[in-house]
Amino acid sequence: SQTIHQWPATLVQPVGSPLSLECTVEGTSNPNLYWYRQAAGRGLQLLFYSVGIGQISSEVPQNLSASRPQDRQFILSSKKLLLSDSGFYLCAWSASSYNEQFFGPGTRLTVL
Amino acid sequence: RKEVEQDPGPFNVPEGATVAFNCTYSNSASQSFFWYRQDCRKEPKLLMSVYSSGNEDGRFTAQLNRASQYISLLIRDSKLSDSATYLCVVSLRTGNQFYFGTGTSLTVIP
Repeated sequence: SQTIHQWPATLVQPVGSPLSLECTVEGTSNPNLYWYRQAAGRGLQLLFYSVGIGQISSEVPQNLSASRPQDRQFILSSKKLLLSDSGFYLCAWSASSYNEQFFGPGTRLTVL
Repeated sequence: RKEVEQDPGPFNVPEGATVAFNCTYSNSASQSFFWYRQDCRKEPKLLMSVYSSGNEDGRFTAQLNRASQYISLLIRDSKLSDSATYLCVVSLRTGNQFYFGTGTSLTVIP
C-alpha cells in the first residue's frame, strides 16, 4: 500500500530564515505530487504540483519554491520566510490529474 | 466567483440524526468529484468519490447533479465520531486542478 511522509510535523522559524520541507511517497511510481497551504480557518491553496522529476508548476507567485529531485520526493523551500508564510503545509499524491489525492500528515509552520 | 462553494455551517446535530451537505461548483467541465473529511489540525482524508449515478458507503450517500452543478453528502444515524469538517472537491479533466471548498463544519452532540 502507498504511504506518504512529511517532516517535520511542526516548525517555528524567525522571519527571514530559510525553509525546507520534505515529502516522500512509498508504494507507487511516477505519482503526481502537490504542495498545499492551509491558513488558519481557510481552505486549501494549491502552491505547486509536479507530474515528474524536475517538472514543477507554480500556482501562486510568492517567495516559495519547490523541487522534485527524485520520483517520490518533493521539497518545498524558501530563502527568506515572511510572517504570511505561517500555515499548515500539506503534501499530497495522486495517480493522475483527476484521481483522488492522498495527503501526508502535514507540517504546521509558525513564522515569528 | 469561487470554483467550489460550501455552506461553512456549523451544523450541530444530535446523535442519530440525518444531516445533508450541499456543494456547488461553477465549471461545467468538472469531471471528478470527491468528499474529504478533515479533523481538527489534521490532514484531509478521502471520504468517498462521487459517481454520476450516486453512491453509498455505509451511512454515507453521495449524489451528483450535473444539470444544477452541485454535489451532496448525506450522513445517516450520525455518530459522535462524525464530528469534523467536510470538504467538497472538484477536479477538471484538463491540468492538475483540484478545487477544494472551504469546508462545512459538523458537530454531533450526545
